Amino acid sequence: GAGVSQSPSNKVTEKGKDVELRCDPISGHTALYWYRQSLGQGLEFLIYFQGNSAPDKSGLPSDRFSAERTGGSVSTLTIQRTQQEDSAVYLCASSLGLLRPQVREQYFGPGTRLTVT
Amino acid sequence: AQSVAQPEDQVNVAEGNPLTVKCTYSVSGNPYLFWYVQYPNRGLQFLLKYITGDNLVKGSYGFEAEFNKSQTSFHLKKPSALVSDSALYFCAVRDMDDNFNKFYFGSGTKLNVKP
Repeated sequence: GAGVSQSPSNKVTEKGKDVELRCDPISGHTALYWYRQSLGQGLEFLIYFQGNSAPDKSGLPSDRFSAERTGGSVSTLTIQRTQQEDSAVYLCASSLGLLRPQVREQYFGPGTRLTVT
Repeated sequence: AQSVAQPEDQVNVAEGNPLTVKCTYSVSGNPYLFWYVQYPNRGLQFLLKYITGDNLVKGSYGFEAEFNKSQTSFHLKKPSALVSDSALYFCAVRDMDDNFNKFYFGSGTKLNVKP
């Protein structure tokens, strides 16, 4: 079946511009995560959505970052007034989540490579 | 603070030899531990996980990992490496007594298997 998809695959933007990154999770997966992967570093948790519950935003690095998830499916990560340090690969993952979501493995998308010039 | 350490940036092994990719963790509560693999130009794929029970867990592609509570380690192993195992491997932990929504990932270990 279809996996997690993300778009665009690559995004180059100028410093100060806003960007939107999209994630389509696997159908039926109620849990959705966003991560940031910087060169030579591990994945940094950004935000977590579970069904209709309020998202866990504890990983968002600044108020320039926001995310929403419409209808419990597609999610958009928005970065306002981009800075060069925002350059990274942004990964989305989804998992089954209604029952004991913490034991579920995540299925990752291919990522969006963001370059801020 | 929660963290995951993968002390080796790169591991080189000859095909057919056993391989080990090391992972140690630090959490305040009980850990749930995971290994993921990232092949070039592809997303991360789940390999195996430890939740509870037997300390030795077996996963995809012949990989296994052993949970060692006293050493706070969860090393990934395979008895006989294949060239196709060459990839980037990530260890991850959830702290079940803190914010279990969050995964903490290591920085990754690049595995090179030479023919």
